[in-house]
Amino acid sequence: NAGVMQNPRHLVRRRGQEARLRCSPMKGHSHVYWYRQLPEEGLKFMVYLQKENIIDESGMPKERFSAEFPKEGPSILRIQQVVRGDSAAYFCASGLPGANVLTFGAGSRLTVL
Amino acid sequence: QKEVEQNSGPLSVPEGAIASLNCTYSDRGSQSFFWYRQYSGKSPELIMSIYSNGDKEDGRFTAQLNKASQYVSLLIRDSQPSDSATYLCAVTQTAGGTSYGKLTFGQGTILTVHP
Repeated sequence: NAGVMQNPRHLVRRRGQEARLRCSPMKGHSHVYWYRQLPEEGLKFMVYLQKENIIDESGMPKERFSAEFPKEGPSILRIQQVVRGDSAAYFCASGLPGANVLTFGAGSRLTVL
Repeated sequence: QKEVEQNSGPLSVPEGAIASLNCTYSDRGSQSFFWYRQYSGKSPELIMSIYSNGDKEDGRFTAQLNKASQYVSLLIRDSQPSDSATYLCAVTQTAGGTSYGKLTFGQGTILTVHP
């Protein structure tokens, strides 16, 4: 029973490029959360999605960031025109509908040169 | 004022001692409280959840919640070097009658257990 799968684990991008981070939830989980952990900071909520629907995106930066969770395939966090300040660990977590107990993936570490 | 505050530490305790980690939160609407452990470079791992006032024990871990004081703590008994990690306090609210996993995390407390 695989846990929350994230890829890539490490991603290096130059300023101005696009970053795409993928997340497959645990088997049986239909809800996905994205969190960001900046260096020396705590985890910050970004967005909460279920299949084909964004439930809460109150933590998403207004520009350059988007997230989706299509009917088929993984959830994707997309960062356009990356800047150095986007360098962080991005964690995906999944849970059951209505549940607040989350299982986190191993994270994707983005480095922007 | 930060929504969830923790002593950043580092907290250093000798092996076998009790480690005490503290957390305060600002939103009285907070309903659920969690402690996560995060080893360096790894993902957060849930170690305790608590929902009502009082103590909850699980092995060497005891979580304590006092909603009137807006305070939650984690005690680790018989601390081991393998407990050395960052401990994250997290809270969540119930929005519109629905609870979901929108967690607000504290900055984390770095714990070092030395032999």
